[in-house]
Amino acid sequence: EVQLVESGGGLVQPGGSLKLSCAASGFTFSGSAMHWVRQASGKGPEWVGRIRSKGYDYATAYALSVKGRFTISRDDSKNTAYLQMSSLKTEDTAVYYCTVLGVSSSFDYWGQGTLVTVSS
Amino acid sequence: NFMLTQPHSVSESPGKTVTISCTGSGGSIATNYVQWYQQRPGSAPTTVIYEDNQRPSGVPDRFSGSIDSSSNSASLTISGLMTEDEADYYCQSYHNNDLWVFGGGTKLTVL
Repeated sequence: EVQLVESGGGLVQPGGSLKLSCAASGFTFSGSAMHWVRQASGKGPEWVGRIRSKGYDYATAYALSVKGRFTISRDDSKNTAYLQMSSLKTEDTAVYYCTVLGVSSSFDYWGQGTLVTVSS
Repeated sequence: NFMLTQPHSVSESPGKTVTISCTGSGGSIATNYVQWYQQRPGSAPTTVIYEDNQRPSGVPDRFSGSIDSSSNSASLTISGLMTEDEADYYCQSYHNNDLWVFGGGTKLTVL
């Protein structure tokens, strides 16, 4: 069974930093691209970014809204993906999910999400 | 920028059929697959349609998806509406610039 467990969320001041983790199990983590998606309260999901596998040189891609501020990384030995967030803004407040594509083109597996609140 | 636009809300009676649209702008919606997700309060989204018109196992055949290139839109149709179908629905696709895009979501009320 695929499991994704996010952690690291919390309250942070504007301009601050936070690092989220996503612990994965139940699938071949090292061969899978990992995505981060966020959802502000009452809003639709927003894709944040992704990191590909070693075979693709761990290539990353980011949404324009976070490019230059957020960095995605992974540790295949720990089956864990990370989202390093810096220069946080109030509009970054959201539940952050890690997710992975299934055999199709859809995000078939999601974690439970972790809440990030950016406020003074 | 490629964007997907959905109606904010739709409502229909049990047993009826409802269609939720997802209109693309800034690119052709037919270029890449469209997915549809159902989301209930407090839970992560779950896939109800993938690759334009495919249903995952466990999703009833009351759910169907389609693409209309002429209007650059995708549609999710739910027939035989049940109260349990009441939820938020999101379309999602992929843009050639290596970006994944979600629609703003449609709140379905079954009353």
